[in-house]
Amino acid sequence: GAGVSQSPRYKVAKRGQDVALRCDPISGHVSLFWYQQALGQGPEFLTYFQNEAQLDKSGLPSDRFFAERPEGSVSTLKIQRTQQEDSAVYLCASSSGQYNSPLHFGNGTRLTVT
Amino acid sequence: AQKVTQAQTEISVVEKEDVTLDCVYETRDTTYYLFWYKQPPSGELVFLIRRNSFDEQNEISGRYSWNFQKSTSSFNFTITASQVVDSAVYFCPLRLSGGSYIPTFGRGTSLIVHP
Repeated sequence: GAGVSQSPRYKVAKRGQDVALRCDPISGHVSLFWYQQALGQGPEFLTYFQNEAQLDKSGLPSDRFFAERPEGSVSTLKIQRTQQEDSAVYLCASSSGQYNSPLHFGNGTRLTVT
Repeated sequence: AQKVTQAQTEISVVEKEDVTLDCVYETRDTTYYLFWYKQPPSGELVFLIRRNSFDEQNEISGRYSWNFQKSTSSFNFTITASQVVDSAVYFCPLRLSGGSYIPTFGRGTSLIVHP
């Protein structure tokens, strides 16, 4: 389809493992956002890209979280040395880049750290 | 800083009832954008509507209607004759036109429609 694609859909990691979450945005969308959603909560902003430039990473909770979008298309969110508090759904969204453009979200990756 | 408040944590109705979801926002900016999203149990956030701060015209789309009132900083969403398929969590994020342009979400309102 032509929507935002995220993989894997589910990820179980043992505490201390590194994980990589992938986001494939809608073709042509210059803006890409990562959000974290805990159970029963709204999405919380993590980081934002415009093309390949990471313009805002103020929401990343610690230096264990790292995101990249090297060619301005696919993005990867990496979490090093996972902790139990990292368990959440990680949502990726893309938009055309204008402020009034809606974000289009993927299905998310549910990360469970055991 | 901008903020969105959805005071209703959970609403439970019986099918065919009308239901209104409240959304109150805070911002000092004069230009901003408000959205409504639906998040069904499958998890994907589905875009429903966008409203610009300079356009207070209300909108109706089938069973859905939206009431935007700048005077009370509210952007409420009404579902007429609710259906079981309307059961979901609903969010109304706010996005500014400059400065912090990151869409800000509230906690959402969980709507449960019983058959």
